[in-house]
Amino acid sequence: EAGVTQFPSHSVIEKGQTVTLRCDPISGHDNLYWYRRVMGKEIKFLLHFVKESKQDESGMPNNRFLAERTGGTYSTLKVQPAELEDSGVYFCASSQDTLAGSYEQYFGPGTRLTVT
Amino acid sequence: AQSVTQLDSQVPVFEEAPVELRCNYSSSVSVYLFWYVQYPNQGLQLLLKYLSGSTLVESINGFEAEFNKSQTSFHLRKPSVHISDTAEYFCAVILSGAGSYQLTFGKGTKLSVIP
Repeated sequence: EAGVTQFPSHSVIEKGQTVTLRCDPISGHDNLYWYRRVMGKEIKFLLHFVKESKQDESGMPNNRFLAERTGGTYSTLKVQPAELEDSGVYFCASSQDTLAGSYEQYFGPGTRLTVT
Repeated sequence: AQSVTQLDSQVPVFEEAPVELRCNYSSSVSVYLFWYVQYPNQGLQLLLKYLSGSTLVESINGFEAEFNKSQTSFHLRKPSVHISDTAEYFCAVILSGAGSYQLTFGKGTKLSVIP
């Protein structure tokens, strides 16, 4: 079974440019999460999709960030325009069934974003 | 709001020695507790979790953690570490019954096992 995959693994962009990160969850996982780790800080929650719907987007920092999950499969996270403070590692995770109480989120390897 | 404190950012330990990675949490409601591990150049992997039942939980590679409600702690221990345990370890919580499944993480502890 393939794990959570993320693309690209690294991205270096200039301030003001746009970047789109992609996450492919484990097949069959309805729940998809985005997290971010800024250097030296803790990993922080950004948002949670259940299928194609945004269940919780309380962690999105501002309106420069746009997450989508069309069709309830893969998800994209777009940053437009990027600022220096957006640099960090963006993690995606998926889980199968929160109602079953498993609460086990499977993480991807992350996308390292550097804004210069 | 809940928070997670990992008191040690780096822990060096000699191979075959015991180790304890400390984790304390703050929450006004019940929580579910997790330890994740990130090996170099890899994603986070779930090491162990406490949802209910026995307060002592174990992983398949010899780690264990004990939920202590009175001290709001969930420290991770291993009696004898291996070189392969070198990694960054993250303690995390989810609020139970809150309808949200976001993980709140500590800042992580880098475990370095010295040969």
